[in-house]
Amino acid sequence: GAGVSQSPSNKVTEKGKDVELRCDPISGHTALYWYRQSLGQGLEFLIYFQGNSAPDKSGLPSDRFSAERTGGSVSTLTIQRTQQEDSAVYLCASRPREGRGNEQFFGPGTRLTVL
Amino acid sequence: AQSVTQLDSHVSVSEGTPVLLRCNYSSSYSPSLFWYVQHPNKGLQLLLKYTSAATLVKGINGFEAEFKKSETSFHLTKPSAHMSDAAEYFCVVSLTFYGNNRLAFGKGNQVVVIP
Repeated sequence: GAGVSQSPSNKVTEKGKDVELRCDPISGHTALYWYRQSLGQGLEFLIYFQGNSAPDKSGLPSDRFSAERTGGSVSTLTIQRTQQEDSAVYLCASRPREGRGNEQFFGPGTRLTVL
Repeated sequence: AQSVTQLDSHVSVSEGTPVLLRCNYSSSYSPSLFWYVQHPNKGLQLLLKYTSAATLVKGINGFEAEFKKSETSFHLTKPSAHMSDAAEYFCVVSLTFYGNNRLAFGKGNQVVVIP
């Protein structure tokens, strides 16, 4: 079946512009995560959605970052007034249901470059 | 709090020799543990996972890992490295407690395989 998809695959923007990154999780997966992967920094948790519960936004680095998940499916990560330090690969992952052992399925990522 | 420590950010192994990637975690509760692999310009792929069943876990591509609670470790091994094993490897700890499903990623091991 189809995996997690993300768009665009690459995004180049100018400092100060807003960007939107999209994630389509695997159909039926209730949990959705956003991560940021910066060079040499590993994966940094950003935000987590689970069903209709309030999202866990504790990983968002600043108020310029926001995310929403419409209808419990597609999610959009928005970065306002982008800065050069926002340059990274943004990964989305989904998980089928609650549970400690359920793996996350990752999308291919969106590479964001802020000039 | 939970965290994951991966020593040796860069690991070089000769083709045909054993691979050992070390992972230590800290968690107040019994964790689920994962190893993910990321090949260049590819998404993250699950290698194996531990979820409180057998402590020796076998994964794909000949990898295995052993959960040792007394040592809080989950080291990844493979008896004989192949050129295709060149990639970055992440150790991940997952904890579900009162709905908190956040994951913690180690900083990764970049593996180079020498012919």
